[in-house]
Amino acid sequence: GAVVSQHPSRVICKSGTSVKIECRSLDFQATTMFWYRQFPKQSLMLMATSNEGSKATYEQGVEKDKFLINHASLTLSTLTVTSAHPEDSSFYICSARVERQGLFEQYFGPGTRLTVT
Amino acid sequence: AQSVTQPDIHITVSEGASLELRCNYSYGATPYLFWYVQSPGQGLQLLLKYFSGDTLVQGIKGFEAEFKRSQSSFNLRKPSVHWSDAAEYFCAVEGGGNKLTFGTGTQLKVEL
Repeated sequence: GAVVSQHPSRVICKSGTSVKIECRSLDFQATTMFWYRQFPKQSLMLMATSNEGSKATYEQGVEKDKFLINHASLTLSTLTVTSAHPEDSSFYICSARVERQGLFEQYFGPGTRLTVT
Repeated sequence: AQSVTQPDIHITVSEGASLELRCNYSYGATPYLFWYVQSPGQGLQLLLKYFSGDTLVQGIKGFEAEFKRSQSSFNLRKPSVHWSDAAEYFCAVEGGGNKLTFGTGTQLKVEL
């Protein structure tokens, strides 16, 4: 159980276009999902917390108008990179929060490699 | 704010040798601590976690970690490394709002 998928796994887009990345919890419901960004050979940086039915909470320094997050259902959160530029090229990973025995754990998706040309 | 330090960027061990990856954290309250493994181009897989109780935690794939409050450490160990263990390892601490703060990672190379 607790499987998280991401689609697409890899995407190449042209500068100025928008790209949508999906994060799904396959066998459980997740009221909260998280979006991370990982640069090559670096750690994961939390971008935002996605809450079902409400606005996402963004970390300091993350442009909310550039990285649009929608959590329309208990199994799906989407991240849209608007007007993408080469510096947005990165590995984007989502996670879904699961409660286990009164404590919360995060299960991670396999990631999406975005390349902006 | 919480922080995690993984002092070793790269570690190389021979297959069959023991392994210890270091992790130090900073957090004002009782920490929830995690170790994750990431293979190239993949997401993260949870190896083990510490919430409370026994300070020696057993995880998957033969890994264990020991929480030492006095040293603010949560080092990951494995008695005998396999070639398939080569990957990036991340230590993380959970703060408010279930937010995870990750260390910079340790790249493990296994020599055959």
